[in-house]
Amino acid sequence: AQKVTQAQTEISVVEKEDVTLDCVYETRDTTYYLFWYKQPPSGELVFLIRRNSFDEQNEISGRYSWNFQKSTSSFNFTITASQVVDSAVYFCALSYTGGFKTIFGAGTRLFVKA
Amino acid sequence: NAGVTQTPKFQVLKTGQSMTLQCAQDMNHEYMSWYRQDPGMGLRLIHYSVGAGITDQGEVPNGYNVSRSTTEDFPLRLLSAAPSQTSVYFCASSSPGAGPGYTFGSGTRLTVV
Repeated sequence: AQKVTQAQTEISVVEKEDVTLDCVYETRDTTYYLFWYKQPPSGELVFLIRRNSFDEQNEISGRYSWNFQKSTSSFNFTITASQVVDSAVYFCALSYTGGFKTIFGAGTRLFVKA
Repeated sequence: NAGVTQTPKFQVLKTGQSMTLQCAQDMNHEYMSWYRQDPGMGLRLIHYSVGAGITDQGEVPNGYNVSRSTTEDFPLRLLSAAPSQTSVYFCASSSPGAGPGYTFGSGTRLTVV
């Protein structure tokens, strides 16, 4: 079965703190894609990153970084020096069956206080 | 580029009414999908399409129909609305050749009373 688990329902941090959002996935497919999306209070879904199952390199983009570990089936997302504008719901997602189907985790709501 | 356009943005239906949520994309994407978002449940796939004339069911297809007569359009039909279909609906499109990830529409908030 395919599954994405985001165990952290809500996280609250103070501005400038680092925060890591956890994502654990399950799939039998050997080829799959992992995603992170941001949903700010305005409601739109913003694509942040895609990783394929053959690329375990970690990635950094500004204050954002992602750690993909197949051994633990995890794809964690870290925000360094968080800012109030990072307050949003963050979704991890798994795409399988050649990318045709995608399932989402339940999301982690991040509050960053000034 | 308009990206993915969803209409309407808000809709209130009475139980038993039918309606169509419209989705159009102008990026020539092959893949299009419909999701519903309910509190605490993330997004769940309703139906998806890998090209014109080809559709398939996702996790929660019951009560919904789709068709894909053109690459650009992927309407979602509610046959007989039920209160359980109160949700926010997102349409998405993607194409491996067009870059990573999905492009989402801005959503349709549907309330069934």
